[in-house]
Amino acid sequence: QVQLVESGGGLVKPGGSLRLSCAASGFIFSDYYMSWIRQAPGKGLEWVSYISSGGSTIYYADSVKGRFTISRDNAKNSLYLQMDSLRAEDTAVYYCARDGYCSSTSCSYGWFDPWGQGTLVTVSS
Amino acid sequence: SYELTQPPSVSVSPGQTARITCSGDALPKQYGYWYQQKPGQAPVLVIYKDSERPPGIPERFSGSSSGTTVTLTISGVQAEDEADYYCQSADSSGTYYVFGTGTKVTVL
Repeated sequence: QVQLVESGGGLVKPGGSLRLSCAASGFIFSDYYMSWIRQAPGKGLEWVSYISSGGSTIYYADSVKGRFTISRDNAKNSLYLQMDSLRAEDTAVYYCARDGYCSSTSCSYGWFDPWGQGTLVTVSS
Repeated sequence: SYELTQPPSVSVSPGQTARITCSGDALPKQYGYWYQQKPGQAPVLVIYKDSERPPGIPERFSGSSSGTTVTLTISGVQAEDEADYYCQSADSSGTYYVFGTGTKVTVL
């Protein structure tokens, strides 16, 4: 079945760095756009970044632009998020999610399904 | 930045109908999507492309769109539907994704 498993979360000091990973299985990873979405404790969902299937198109939310870098390795069925210059307000559960759906003939994008279980990032001194 | 607005909370008795609205200026151009999130769990897609229901989602979940508002309707609400619900869409260019503010559905 389709599965996404995040890893790499933890406690980091303000100004520090962390790299999140998302391992995908059960679908043709290289066909799909992928996104990172986060949720601060007790708060709502915030889209962070997406990357196209081949990695040539990347967008970031303004709140992380210039500090976070999304990437992927289609040979390893893996998605990554490099987070630098971390701030307290980056504290959140980070989810990876598959974007849209691909049939045998075409792909449609714009929604997230499924999501991984999330990994907690805590930025605190 | 672009925003999607939802009511903070909706309360409904079992068996009744819950309606959750989501308003945004780009919704006439962009599809709306809906997610259910229960405590401690990842969100689950319940409606895509305004009104389509993914496999495995009960028929009591439906979606509609009119102008700058998309609506999630839960007919015959059950206790297990108590959760947070988020709408999601994109800005007018389709470049940036955005989530709504979230609605907590309480089953009385």
